[in-house]
Amino acid sequence: DAKTTQPPSMDCAEGRAANLPCNHSTISGNEYVYWYRQIHSQGPQYIIHGLKNNETNEMASLIITEDRKSSTLILPHATLRDTAVYYCIVRPTYNFNKFYFGSGTKLNVKP
Amino acid sequence: GAVVSQHPSWVICKSGTSVKIECRSLDFQATTMFWYRQFPKQSLMLMATSNEGSKATYEQGVEKDKFLINHASLTLSTLTVTSAHPEDSSFYICSAILGQNNSPLHFGNGTRLTVT
Repeated sequence: DAKTTQPPSMDCAEGRAANLPCNHSTISGNEYVYWYRQIHSQGPQYIIHGLKNNETNEMASLIITEDRKSSTLILPHATLRDTAVYYCIVRPTYNFNKFYFGSGTKLNVKP
Repeated sequence: GAVVSQHPSWVICKSGTSVKIECRSLDFQATTMFWYRQFPKQSLMLMATSNEGSKATYEQGVEKDKFLINHASLTLSTLTVTSAHPEDSSFYICSAILGQNNSPLHFGNGTRLTVT
């Protein structure tokens, strides 16, 4: 039921910005986009979410295109500890409680 | 911030036995919790939605008699893997929503189950 598409893996140099793309071309008007990450053998960690405006918090920024068909998660200064699998999730409106995970992007931050 | 706690963090059991995993919301009440399963190198798969005071709802293909869910209070949901088999070995993760509507899910740190 995942409605998102992400590249399977990406590399990023330590200290540089990591830009993780997500395609959600079938998103509905009132569906939010959520980003989580999972470090090996741990539960997913919430990062950020948004509807249509760009959002920023202490962890990251979320840029959503005007047509809402894609978004980008930006980690402004990646560290080795940001190495993880990043999941982009669209919560379905037919059951707003359910989160279905896609395959995610493995971000490798390299020294 | 919201914290979801799982116990145990890992468990080894023999085939045919049952294993109970607890999921607690530590600083908030959760009327709804969710159980996921994750096999190595795969994504999380939603197993069931746990509803306080009522029966859990299971995703298609998940055996409700195999994976018993009880949500007896607003802060505790349990998942019991009955008559465990080696193919049940997996990483089980629970989650809960703090608040309503578009609030994010908060996840526990998971339970690694190994069935020998």
